[in-house]
Amino acid sequence: QLQLQESGPGLVKPSETLSLTCTVSGGPITSSDFCWAWTRQPPGKGLEWIGSICHGGRTYYKPSLKSRVTISVDTSKNQFSLNLSSVTAADTAVYHCLRETEGSSFTSWGQGTLVTVSS
Amino acid sequence: QSALTQPRSVSGSPGQSVTISCTGTNTDVHYYHYVSWYQQHPGKAPKLLIYDVSKRPSGVPDRFSGSKSGNTASLTISGLQADDEADYYCCSHAVDYYVFGTGTKVTVL
Repeated sequence: QLQLQESGPGLVKPSETLSLTCTVSGGPITSSDFCWAWTRQPPGKGLEWIGSICHGGRTYYKPSLKSRVTISVDTSKNQFSLNLSSVTAADTAVYHCLRETEGSSFTSWGQGTLVTVSS
Repeated sequence: QSALTQPRSVSGSPGQSVTISCTGTNTDVHYYHYVSWYQQHPGKAPKLLIYDVSKRPSGVPDRFSGSKSGNTASLTISGLQADDEADYYCCSHAVDYYVFGTGTKVTVL
């Protein structure tokens, strides 16, 4: 059964870069059937899609975050990563990594990791 | 890229049916047949309930059903059960991105 697990710092200082990694187990990250995505959820608020990376390295980002976001894949480690630069308190949220059926839906979710932006 | 509009809350008694609406625009819900719905219990990761407007993943009870008309998608929960009390989010594909709904809290009375 596919499992996704987020890892990374729980505290990031304002103006710095938030970096998270998602380790995928139970299936290859190289499958052309799926994309890999990140969402976030500020405490007590709704879900927000951040971006996805698909077969061949194609990336799609939320337009309002595009200038600050990079998603990449490390096939040798079966991992994918999120970098979000120039963070502010508004970026404080639980970040989830997900498997996406391209263009359709998010079929598997990691448990999520809380990242707090504070000095 | 505004969030899709959902009612803040809906409620029903056990055994009843409730319907959650999800209103978007001509560039997301209306245009694409890629609306999905997610259930989220407190402190847990969301779970996919419906994809491609009305399809259910394996293991999701047929008490959950989805539909779409124009700019509005809907999730209906039939035979409401205590465990259905959770937050529900719709999500639609749009041009090169996804947009989630504002979320609806379902309360089982």
